[in-house]
Amino acid sequence: QQQVRQSPQSLTVWEGETAILNCSYEDSTFDYFPWYWQFPRESPALLIAIRPVSNKKEDGRFTIFFNKREKKLSLHITDSQPGDSATYFCAGTSGGNYKPTFGKGTSLVVHP
Amino acid sequence: DTTVKQNPRYKLARVGKPVNLICSQTMNHDTMYWYQKKPNQAPKLLLFYYDKILNREADTFEKFQSSRPNNSFCSLYIGSAGLEYSAMYLCASSADRVEQFFGPGTRLTVL
Repeated sequence: QQQVRQSPQSLTVWEGETAILNCSYEDSTFDYFPWYWQFPRESPALLIAIRPVSNKKEDGRFTIFFNKREKKLSLHITDSQPGDSATYFCAGTSGGNYKPTFGKGTSLVVHP
Repeated sequence: DTTVKQNPRYKLARVGKPVNLICSQTMNHDTMYWYQKKPNQAPKLLLFYYDKILNREADTFEKFQSSRPNNSFCSLYIGSAGLEYSAMYLCASSADRVEQFFGPGTRLTVL
């Protein structure tokens, strides 16, 4: 059972465009949604995260939009840069269970 | 220092042989996790320690063992490796069970 789904599996955009990465989940008890990015030959690292009390979280060029009713969220990367090329993982976790559930990831390539 | 270290980085094992992977962190994090990552798949949580309490996932309960002799160190043990164990194994730690810090991973190849 895949509780966190990400789409598309891969995405290619040109430098300066907005990349949109989608994520959906099934577990309504999830109360924290981190996005991790992983560059080739490196470890995943926390990029940005949101809690359901908000429907938007912004950090520079990175914005999470959250729709609790539809159990969907998306990561928007504006003015994409080649350095943003990485695999992006969406995850969900419930308070107290210490067990994040990850999606399969979206591989983003930004062409100069 | 927010580094999580893993050893070895690459491991070659024979079918039926044991495998022991090591993870360490010096951030005094109370929770340490082990994930299995295969290509085009989500990281799969195998087990985690909250302090000295080990929690293993039900579907991998019999396949993986772990020990945490102190706060900084955690191992992952496979008693008898099978071909299906070939994967990247990621260790992570967390102070608040919210943000996780990942190690570089150990790539295990079972032949």
